[in-house]
Amino acid sequence: EDQVTQSPEALRLQEGESSSLNCSYTVSGLRGLFWYRQDPGKGPEFLFTLYSAGEEKEKERLKATLTKKESFLHITAPKPEDSATYLCAVAMDTGRRALTFGSGTRLQVQP
Amino acid sequence: GAGVSQSPSNKVTEKGKDVELRCDPISGHTALYWYRQSLGQGLEFLIYFQGNSAPDKSGLPSDRFSAERTGGSVSTLTIQRTQQEDSAVYLCASSLFSIRVRDEKLFFGSGTQLSVL
Repeated sequence: EDQVTQSPEALRLQEGESSSLNCSYTVSGLRGLFWYRQDPGKGPEFLFTLYSAGEEKEKERLKATLTKKESFLHITAPKPEDSATYLCAVAMDTGRRALTFGSGTRLQVQP
Repeated sequence: GAGVSQSPSNKVTEKGKDVELRCDPISGHTALYWYRQSLGQGLEFLIYFQGNSAPDKSGLPSDRFSAERTGGSVSTLTIQRTQQEDSAVYLCASSLFSIRVRDEKLFFGSGTQLSVL
């Protein structure tokens, strides 16, 4: 069964304390891996798309990487405004457009 | 420009009642998705519309759920005879269609929080 698993479920960091979030996937064929950020009471906001193993994307303090089995979202020197839930999603080689989402990592960055 | 708009933002209903949730996508976006998010869970796909193509209804959990998209724009998700397990946030997303799904960026609305008492 195709699955997307994110870890940890929750992460509390001090401002400036770098860390990584993990998204592991077991899918029959990956057509794309996506990272979204979701703030409380809001819909998810697109961050990155990754497709090929070894690919990396960066935006401000965030860097996403991809291997054949997992993706990492690295957060360098986080700030309190980076606090949010980070969602990973995959598009599978099934001909369907729907994304399969993980349950997310709730990140809290304390000043 | 305006983003994806959903209404109502909150809906409280009694078990057994029907509800309608509305989504106004970004102008020009031909692809529209409905997802459901239960507390502490990931997003669960419900239905997908693209242009004039037949919708992908494979995610609808039961025949109590239906959706339509009129004129290729506004979409309505209808839940008949609501049950307590239907309580969740219902999210709508739109996008510019791309042949390669990895090139497609979803823009989400803020969702409708549905509570079934």
